[in-house]
Amino acid sequence: DAGVIQSPRHEVTEMGQEVTLRCKLISGHNSLFWYRQTMMRGLELLIYFNNNVPIDDSGMPEDRFSAKMPNASFSTLKIQPSEPRDSAVYFCASTEAGNTGELFFGEGSRLTVL
Amino acid sequence: KQEVTQIPAALSVPEGENLVLNCSFTDSAIYNLQWFRQDPGKGLTSLLLIQSSQREQTSGRLNASLDKSSGRSTLYIAASQPGDSATYLCAVRNTGNQFYFGTGTSLTVIP
Repeated sequence: DAGVIQSPRHEVTEMGQEVTLRCKLISGHNSLFWYRQTMMRGLELLIYFNNNVPIDDSGMPEDRFSAKMPNASFSTLKIQPSEPRDSAVYFCASTEAGNTGELFFGEGSRLTVL
Repeated sequence: KQEVTQIPAALSVPEGENLVLNCSFTDSAIYNLQWFRQDPGKGLTSLLLIQSSQREQTSGRLNASLDKSSGRSTLYIAASQPGDSATYLCAVRNTGNQFYFGTGTSLTVIP
């Protein structure tokens, strides 16, 4: 299996621009998590989905952030408009929704907002 | 809310030494506990997964133990190597499909 695949790996953009991060789940997985990692705050859960349905989005910083799962294997995280404080590494991770599944991470998307 | 703590935050050891990393959690009602490794600029790589019914898991030089009742897990690394240098994170999985992460232990193995 190719694992969790994220794109782009690196993104540099200017404040105010729209950013879209993409994630492809491992085949057979039906839970998807978006995390943000910074030196100051560590790993933060932004949102997670079970079977394409958002279950908990309490970690989404504000209305500038939105996430979707248009199908069972793909998700996007969009930031519009982006701000310098959004600079971080964004990870997605997937697992089986059953309670004993192992969590697998993608390599992350490093976002820099100038 | 589940809180996960990892001590120490950083550890430096000479090559060849055996070492133990600690993870503690406040709510013992967990489904499983997972140890990850993260290299600089990389994602989290799963090392070991311990189900709530298990006491330990082993993979090569790594051994992870779980004591649910006391809310503790340890990751034992035998005969450490410079290539083991990385940040190690533990995560517990609670009801509701929630994962709670510790802040990690940064390990440096000195040749």
